[in-house]
Amino acid sequence: KQEVTQIPAALSVPEGENLVLNCSFTDSAIYNLQWFRQDPGKGLTSLLLIQSSQREQTSGRLNASLDKSSGRSTLYIAASQPGDSATYLCAVDSKAAGNKLTFGGGTRVLVKP
Amino acid sequence: DTGVSQDPRHKITKRGQNVTFRCDPISEHNRLYWYRQTLGQGPEFLTYFQNEAQLEKSRLLSDRFSAERPKGSFSTLEIQRTEQGDSAMYLCASSRQGEQFWETQYFGPGTRLLVL
Repeated sequence: KQEVTQIPAALSVPEGENLVLNCSFTDSAIYNLQWFRQDPGKGLTSLLLIQSSQREQTSGRLNASLDKSSGRSTLYIAASQPGDSATYLCAVDSKAAGNKLTFGGGTRVLVKP
Repeated sequence: DTGVSQDPRHKITKRGQNVTFRCDPISEHNRLYWYRQTLGQGPEFLTYFQNEAQLEKSRLLSDRFSAERPKGSFSTLEIQRTEQGDSAMYLCASSRQGEQFWETQYFGPGTRLLVL
């Protein structure tokens, strides 16, 4: 059974500092891994999707890496801004789970001005 | 492309009542998913459709839950005899599954259910 863990559960940083968010998964047989952003009371916005054959994806200030063998992904957000405050969720689409996403519990981020 | 829409956005009901939620996926997306998210947790898979066929249901989906996707377009999720434990955010997502690559799932804004 695929399990996804995100540590820490909450993170507070001053504006301008780089953010590093961690995600680990137990079954390395994945199709892809996605990072999502969720604002309070809202739905999920997809940030980055990394296919199993890829090692990283970049979009603007965001960079996500994937190490399948160790079951880890890291989301880097450069030069954080107060508008980056949100909950960040990672999710894997794995063979074990079969056509559905298994989510971590999320990391709640607060960027202080 | 107007995105995934869900209706209603909020629903308050009394225990024992039936509720129905609707999801309209992105047009031409052949897959549609339902997830449930409780406070402080990540979403959990409930069920998914490919076109009009319901291909999988989670053990979380008790007999009180039923989902349909007539004609492979919009989907409805009905909860009968609601319980306080059903209080959660119900999220819908859609994707276009290609032959080789698993496509991004696009999520709707969710329906927040509160059972009193």
